[in-house]
This record gives sequence, structure tokens and C-alpha cells, in this order.
Amino acid sequence: AQKVTQAQTEISVVEKEDVTLDCVYETRDTTYYLFWYKQPPSGELVFLIRRNSFDEQNEISGRYSWNFQKSTSSFNFTITASQVVDSAVYFCALNAPGDGANNLFFGTGTRLTVIP
Amino acid sequence: GAGVSQSPSNKVTEKGKDVELRCDPISGHTALYWYRQSLGQGLEFLIYFQGNSAPDKSGLPSDRFSAERTGGSVSTLTIQRTQQEDSAVYLCASSASSSRVFKNIQYFGAGTRLSVL
Repeated sequence: AQKVTQAQTEISVVEKEDVTLDCVYETRDTTYYLFWYKQPPSGELVFLIRRNSFDEQNEISGRYSWNFQKSTSSFNFTITASQVVDSAVYFCALNAPGDGANNLFFGTGTRLTVIP
Repeated sequence: GAGVSQSPSNKVTEKGKDVELRCDPISGHTALYWYRQSLGQGLEFLIYFQGNSAPDKSGLPSDRFSAERTGGSVSTLTIQRTQQEDSAVYLCASSASSSRVFKNIQYFGAGTRLSVL
């Protein structure tokens, strides 16, 4: 079975603060892929990152960084120096094709509000 | 088009009516997915099409839901005899995945917001 847990339902930060969004996943498959998507008020999900299970290197892209730790089954997302435009719902997702699933399993999302 | 296109963007219908939702994937993408997002919830998988293979319908919640994909491109999701609990945003995604091992990125449309009165 596959499961993604985003325990933080809503987070509010003041602009320029750093914020970390947590994601914990469950799968019995040894080959899997993890994703983060951003859903702004417009509703369209925007792809942010994909990570496969064999690559535990952390990644940084501008103000965004991701910390993948297989030992704790976590794939956390940090935004540095947050901006108002970062306000959105962020979804973590998992795909484990060895389980026969073609689709993404999503967490329930974390709503981030950045206060100016 | 440049991205995944869905229509209509909003649909209001009466309980018991049938509705059709359309998805136009990114040109050349062989895989197409439908998801449902209920208020305050994550995305729930409905159905998956890959090329000419039989679709994976394992996520469809009832036999009132069906989908087809014509010519390997445009897809239509049909909900018959709509119920109030069908109210949600229906999202379509496509990817360039062409192998059994999913490794490609799903690109999403803006969704169709369905309201059943």
C-alpha cells in the first residue's frame, strides 16, 4: 500500500521567514518516485520536483530546497526567504510502479500563507 | 496547446443529470490521468490511459463514472445521474510516459469545478 502524510494542514509565516513543509511516505516498493506540486489560487497544479528512491542527494533550486531521507521516509520541502507569491497549497506525492499503480498518491496538502 | 486544457472550467448541474468533462492533453503525451479533488482533500485517482492499452479504471468510485479517450488524444469523463457528493474539482494530467515503469512527470490542467445542486 502507498500512503503520503502531510501533517501540517496550514502554515502562516511572515514574508522573508524560512518555512519547511513536511512529507512522510509509505511504500513497500524499493523503486519509487516522490514529487512536490504547488497549487496556487488559480487551481492548476505546478510541478516542482521529482526524486527517485535511489537518489538521496538533497536538491536546491533558488529559494527552494528538498531534503530526502529514506531512513525516516521523509521528503521535506523548505522555502527560504518566503515571498507572498509562495502562498499556495503544496502537495507531496508518491508513485511506486512496482505496486502496479500507474498513478500518483497525494497527501492532503499544506496551505501556506505568506503574510506581507 | 502548450499545456493541458480542460473544459468547461466550471459546471453547475442538477442532481440526476449527466455531465461530460473534457481534457485535451499536451501534444505527444501518451499517458492521461483523471483525478478528483474534493474540498480540503488531496487528489484522488480516478482513471489512467496509456496509449492503446486498456485503461486502468481502478479508481472510479462507481459505475456512474466512465471515461474514454479517442484517437489517443482528447479524453472525456462522463458522470451519469450526478449526486451531490460528486461535487468536486476534476483534474486531468498528461505525461510522456511510455513504459511500464512510471518515471515521467504529470502535467496538470486547471481543472473543472463541478457543482451538483
